[in-house]
Amino acid sequence: KNEVEQSPQNLTAQEGEFITINCSYSVGISALHWLQQHPGGGIVSLFMLSSGKKKHGRLIATINIQEKHSSLHITASHPRDSAVYICAGLLFGNEKLTFGTGTRLTIIP
Amino acid sequence: DGGITQSPKYLFRKEGQNVTLSCEQNLNHDAMYWYRQDPGQGLRLIYYSQIVNDFQKGDIAEGYSVSREKKESFPLTVTSAQKNPTAFYLCASKLLRRDSTNYGYTFGSGTRLTVV
Repeated sequence: KNEVEQSPQNLTAQEGEFITINCSYSVGISALHWLQQHPGGGIVSLFMLSSGKKKHGRLIATINIQEKHSSLHITASHPRDSAVYICAGLLFGNEKLTFGTGTRLTIIP
Repeated sequence: DGGITQSPKYLFRKEGQNVTLSCEQNLNHDAMYWYRQDPGQGLRLIYYSQIVNDFQKGDIAEGYSVSREKKESFPLTVTSAQKNPTAFYLCASKLLRRDSTNYGYTFGSGTRLTVV
């Protein structure tokens, strides 16, 4: 079993829909990254959070430390949001990342 | 602007040849990391370095080598001993934790290596 599990693996939605991607983890982490990977491959860090909620534009990330669960929400989704979204936990002590396998999001115009 | 530069973006090599992937950062980050990404799998750690002239093996170090002679540079060599080298390789860097402050990772744009 992976230390970090994401769901769904693939998600297709119509433009404008509200999107939720979930991430659960089974290890002790000091923070969690939400990452975006576009088809070219480069990765951009969207958020790093260790508690509560963060918002940037149409993106919202939440984390519940007790339940070891985080969610990434996208409001008013747009085709340019199509990408792979990856959550990654920052392990206590050694500051290494453990990654989920990603959620492939496709937004149809 | 500060960031991480990986070069080249695409690399083709013949089987049995060693190849070196470049990773340079101008962020003054302490730590640097190399990851490998295969289809349907999460990123896996190959090697990492938290200080100049020191580095540690990650989860899949066999067939790879690294050096950290300068803080800003962390090249990865894929040797002929790596049984399945075709993959996407990603470099990252990080400022290590200072007191109670946790800093995030910065990622490069990756190198796609194809061995034929």
